[in-house]
Amino acid sequence: NAGVTQTPKFRVLKTGQSMTLLCAQDMNHEYMYWYRQDPGMGLRLIHYSVGEGTTAKGEVPDGYNVSRLKKQNFLLGLESAAPSQTSVYFCASSYFGGQPQHFGDGTRLSIL
Amino acid sequence: DAKTTQPNSMESNEEEPVHLPCNHSTISGTDYIHWYRQLPSQGPEYVIHGLTSNVNNRMASLAIAEDRKSSTLILHRATLRDAAVYYCILRALIQGAQKLVFGQGTRLTINP
Repeated sequence: NAGVTQTPKFRVLKTGQSMTLLCAQDMNHEYMYWYRQDPGMGLRLIHYSVGEGTTAKGEVPDGYNVSRLKKQNFLLGLESAAPSQTSVYFCASSYFGGQPQHFGDGTRLSIL
Repeated sequence: DAKTTQPNSMESNEEEPVHLPCNHSTISGTDYIHWYRQLPSQGPEYVIHGLTSNVNNRMASLAIAEDRKSSTLILHRATLRDAAVYYCILRALIQGAQKLVFGQGTRLTINP
């Protein structure tokens, strides 16, 4: 099993460009999450989903949108990238709310 | 959100036990204590979690104080592969989803 796969692994954007980060899980998990991690810091929750077709805001949702059209995929979009969004983005999934989360290896995003 | 306090860094020797402390004096009765670790350039990895009783699994043990205001993650026999940042997290549920609030964690160095 691949677990949680994030695409792409690295990306450099210019300010104002848009892009979509893809997260795919093959564990049939209901819950999926997007976090960001800035240098020397812990992870902060951006958005999450409790099932196909649902999304909700986390701690730092501004500047991001998400979609969960299929159970196995959770997309994170940046409509107009800003330098402050330079970070490492992690996706995670879990069976249900109380279960341990499984993380991908991250997407390293730089915005110039 | 209830907060956790961990030492910034700790150092230990290979094949010796390691005790990683965590203080959470404002923990509520329904908060689970979770531990994750993050190896360099990887996503966080679940280690263990508990509510009131001590817990053991193949990776580690979790000792929870009787008043639940502190806990200790125990690695029984550290290896070089255990060098990582260890996060002590109180799990809060929001709309059924597991909200993990990561602090800065403890950076564990293992000496050969």
